[in-house]
Amino acid sequence: DAGITQSPRHKVTETGTPVTLRCHQTENHRYMYWYRQDPGHGLRLIHYSYGVKDTDKGEVSDGYSVSRSKTEDFLLTLESATSSQTSVYFCAISVGRTYPKVETQYFGPGTRLLVL
Amino acid sequence: TQLLEQSPQFLSIQEGENLTVYCNSSSVFSSLQWYRQEPGEGPVLLVTVVTGGEVKKLKRLTFQFGDARKDSSLHITAAQPGDTGLYLCAGPQGAGTALIFGKGTTLSVSS
Repeated sequence: DAGITQSPRHKVTETGTPVTLRCHQTENHRYMYWYRQDPGHGLRLIHYSYGVKDTDKGEVSDGYSVSRSKTEDFLLTLESATSSQTSVYFCAISVGRTYPKVETQYFGPGTRLLVL
Repeated sequence: TQLLEQSPQFLSIQEGENLTVYCNSSSVFSSLQWYRQEPGEGPVLLVTVVTGGEVKKLKRLTFQFGDARKDSSLHITAAQPGDTGLYLCAGPQGAGTALIFGKGTTLSVSS
């Protein structure tokens, strides 16, 4: 257990409304990630962070923004939700090993988002 | 572009049967990982393989990394209902810390 929580766990919203999902970790990990998981597509990286105020885009970043003002919190915002953003969103942290170089990711429980 | 392709996509078997799941790529990976995900939860790491040809065993699960480090397999002996879940392979994306994931194999084991 890497001490990762996500909130809310479930959310229903309407098209065009802004939505913010929160990921909280308790172990001071530097790297944090947001993924979405959809049938037939697997896990796809949205954005990631490599430190406070340091973020970068992933494979499917359009329509999403992120912020990290504290080490423990990584926020994902859907600026104007669309039905195509209905998905399960997972937050993850990464724990690395130097040799051999291996990154292991630990995931939160997920947030189910339905955009009507 | 690095891609990981998993097969089969779905597998439905009876308790006690053996099965193998495959993860293939045209790219060389420095390591590959296998995660298992149960409904309503996030993926959980099962194993990491880092050396070409490496074989690792986790109880009834046997993981193998291809000699050329482009593929991996997961073999389950005498499957049990508790093995039901989504199995994902993952590998490092470029030189950074992010991972790319295969689309997964959904395994259902009925008693």
